[in-house]
Amino acid sequence: GENVEQHPSTLSVQEGDSAVIKCTYSDSASNYFPWYKQELGKRPQLIIDIRSNVGEKKDQRIAVTLNKTAKHFSLHITETQPEDSAVYFCAANTGGFKTIFGAGTRLFVKA
Amino acid sequence: ETGVTQTPRHLVMGMTNKKSLKCEQHLGHNAMYWYKQSAKKPLELMFVYSLEERVENNSVPSRFSPECPNSSHLFLHLHTLQPEDSALYLCASSQGTISHEQFFGPGTRLTVL
Repeated sequence: GENVEQHPSTLSVQEGDSAVIKCTYSDSASNYFPWYKQELGKRPQLIIDIRSNVGEKKDQRIAVTLNKTAKHFSLHITETQPEDSAVYFCAANTGGFKTIFGAGTRLFVKA
Repeated sequence: ETGVTQTPRHLVMGMTNKKSLKCEQHLGHNAMYWYKQSAKKPLELMFVYSLEERVENNSVPSRFSPECPNSSHLFLHLHTLQPEDSALYLCASSQGTISHEQFFGPGTRLTVL
């Protein structure tokens, strides 16, 4: 079945630095890639998504890139702030009913 | 209430108990999901309902039984659970199931003794 690998599992950065989280997927039919942020004790919330017909998408300090050939996609957060500290999940969807999530990356932003 | 709500927020049950988790969405969505979230593991999709019909049953043990009486409500009936079933159970909804943002509820923290 489809699998989504996410790295690193934990990431610690200094406030103001950039953070990059990488994911790979196995099913080449995947065409929708959302990223969710889950703050401690709260529900996951969508922060950005990208579809397979686009290579890059940016929204203020966050950006996502997609390499369909390599089946990689990445989340980039610039100018990190303490409120960016959370668990981030990547996911892949083939256009059907099932979205496969990565195991999550715990991001710590040190003030 | 707005968004997706879940009750109860916390549940402790013995292995012989029967309990139910409830989810309600106030977003007018037509698809609802149950996920299991365990520590350091990916979110595991359990069930998907589209227009009140189950469209995905992700090899979940029969001790978990979903019910979707209408497009706004989703239940997860639990019986004879095992300690390894202890986890956070998240409900989500979306407008359509194909490549759409999912809106999550706050979850039910389940502990099986």
